[in-house]
Amino acid sequence: EAGVAQSPRYKIIEKRQSVAFWCNPISGHATLYWYQQILGQGPKLLIQFQNNGVVDDSQLPKDRFSAERLKGVDSTLKIQPAKLEDSAVYLCASSPEGRGIDTQYFGPGTRLTVL
Amino acid sequence: ILNVEQSPQSLHVQEGDSTNFTCSFPSSNFYALHWYRWETAKSPEALFVMTLNGDEKKKGRISATLNTKEGYSYLYIKGSQPEDSATYLCALAGGTSYGKLTFGQGTILTVHP
Repeated sequence: EAGVAQSPRYKIIEKRQSVAFWCNPISGHATLYWYQQILGQGPKLLIQFQNNGVVDDSQLPKDRFSAERLKGVDSTLKIQPAKLEDSAVYLCASSPEGRGIDTQYFGPGTRLTVL
Repeated sequence: ILNVEQSPQSLHVQEGDSTNFTCSFPSSNFYALHWYRWETAKSPEALFVMTLNGDEKKKGRISATLNTKEGYSYLYIKGSQPEDSATYLCALAGGTSYGKLTFGQGTILTVHP
């Protein structure tokens, strides 16, 4: 079974530039998550999709971050414009149904550096 | 906002040592507790999902216990090997959001040969 795919693996941009990350979850998984992991901290949920609807985006900085999951399969996360404090690893995860007892399967992440 | 705390922040042990870490969480707000292992440049890997007070889980040399009444979980590694070097994350499913995980900051384990 293929795992969660993410691209790119690494990205370096200047502040105020835009960037987009892509995620393809495990086939058949209804729930998709985007996390931000800043060095020294645990991953923080940015947005959770159930199929193509948003379940939770309470911690997504909506003035600069946006995410979509068209057709309920793959997803993109965009930052526009980027700030220095956005430097982090962005993790995508998926789970079968989005219940609290479901294991979340993670991709390898995208390491973003904002200069 | 749930507060999940892990200790210690980092740990250096010698090959063959046994070690353990702690994950603390608010006992009043509990649905499930997850443990993940995250090796450098790889994907975080699920170790355990625990739901019942007194739960004990085991996977090879790694085991975990859960106390929901006092709000803590222990992760044990017996006979640490260099390949156990990783960040160990615990995450709480609780609060009002179904399926939402709140992660601790992680314990970084380094096992020296």
